[in-house]
Amino acid sequence: SQQGEEDPQALSIQEGENATMNCSYKTSINNLQWYRQNSGRGLVHLILIRSNEREKHSGRLRVTLDTSKKSSSLLITASRAADTASYFCATASKGGGADGLTFGKGTHLIIQP
Amino acid sequence: ETGVTQSPTHLIKTRGQQVTLRCSSQSGHNTVSWYQQALGQGPQFIFQYYREEENGRGNFPPRFSGLQFPNYSSELNVNALELDDSALYLCASSSAEVTRYTFGSGTRLTVV
Repeated sequence: SQQGEEDPQALSIQEGENATMNCSYKTSINNLQWYRQNSGRGLVHLILIRSNEREKHSGRLRVTLDTSKKSSSLLITASRAADTASYFCATASKGGGADGLTFGKGTHLIIQP
Repeated sequence: ETGVTQSPTHLIKTRGQQVTLRCSSQSGHNTVSWYQQALGQGPQFIFQYYREEENGRGNFPPRFSGLQFPNYSSELNVNALELDDSALYLCASSSAEVTRYTFGSGTRLTVV
């Protein structure tokens, strides 16, 4: 079963604008990760934020985590056409890595040139 | 450093048949997990292997089974295929000490 939901399901913006995607989850987590997927192919790991962290940056990416609200956001600044992809949040439970990752349904991001 | 490779990339099978999908882990990774991704959905965890033993399983029936070999490569076997098994199957490897996963490009299985 899916852990939670990404919001919005789809987002279309102009190149150069910022894109913000949100993710909600249901259970206690060890960490939350964001992945990108191009055209139904493999997932590429973007960033991991641990449950005791509130914000993390990596290049043009900024991730926040609010464990009290069980939510996270991914901000992509100065978007580029190459950022067009589906973005998924995934949670790793406190039960340990053997539970695997639980993914949301994803946000499909389209960057218009 | 080699990434995760999966084979085949595409496969068409008939309902009721059996299928085997293969995955080679990234160098240095000893844990392999498999995910099923239906069209328009997020990946769903099937199971995970560590040191050749299944050590975690999602909500999938026993006809989904797997193997991990001494070189950490892995197979996913699905028996008695159903139409709903049509999906992208993703393999991911990681080291036991790190929770970040490296995914392969997937095998797209179509059951007709």
